[in-house]
Amino acid sequence: DGGITQSPKYLFRKEGQNVTLSCEQNLNHDAMYWYRQDPGQGLRLIYYSQIVNDFQKGDIAEGYSVSREKKESFPLTVTSAQKNPTAFYLCASSSRGTRGPTDTQYFGPGTRLTVL
Amino acid sequence: DAKTTQPPSMDCAEGRAANLPCNHSTISGNEYVYWYRQIHSQGPQYIIHGLKNNETNEMASLIITEDRKSSTLILPHATLRDTAVYYCIVRVVNQGGKLIFGQGTELSVKP
Repeated sequence: DGGITQSPKYLFRKEGQNVTLSCEQNLNHDAMYWYRQDPGQGLRLIYYSQIVNDFQKGDIAEGYSVSREKKESFPLTVTSAQKNPTAFYLCASSSRGTRGPTDTQYFGPGTRLTVL
Repeated sequence: DAKTTQPPSMDCAEGRAANLPCNHSTISGNEYVYWYRQIHSQGPQYIIHGLKNNETNEMASLIITEDRKSSTLILPHATLRDTAVYYCIVRVVNQGGKLIFGQGTELSVKP
């Protein structure tokens, strides 16, 4: 099956610990994105990557880090510097990134992170 | 970045058409309107997008006004499985083509 996978679906961590969320896609997409969603709110962009070995900060990058060593993978690390890490995290990918405003983003199922 | 305004909630009878409005009065000429929906605790699902002309696919129709300041998503025959939060989004052309999500419209399809 083609698509975007995120693991795990639910994640619990103690305050002060770093945690890495996985995002993998087998759609051969160039661009990948991380969004955060808080209860009753829309999504906000954390980081995005248009090509391997390159990524850019989104609107709320503080306290997060990413890497893009492989085209199919874009892991997100939530560091202890993130003040309110409990949220629903969504990964997305698209085939061309900024080169196409009609370039549709497809989303994974999400990871719900709870920091205790 | 252009913002969108949607009613917070709507009801629709099963089998009837659901018409979801969206205002985007500050949209720029090269910005597209996208619609996604999200069922609780799942990732958003792409529905349709458009620039100026009306668009139709197997899921829905998108009607964009001539001045592009508003649009309407039409689900022609709503089913219970269409119950979800529907997001009207203006797609910017910078920052990786990010999607700017508002709070969306919670559509409840009732038997």
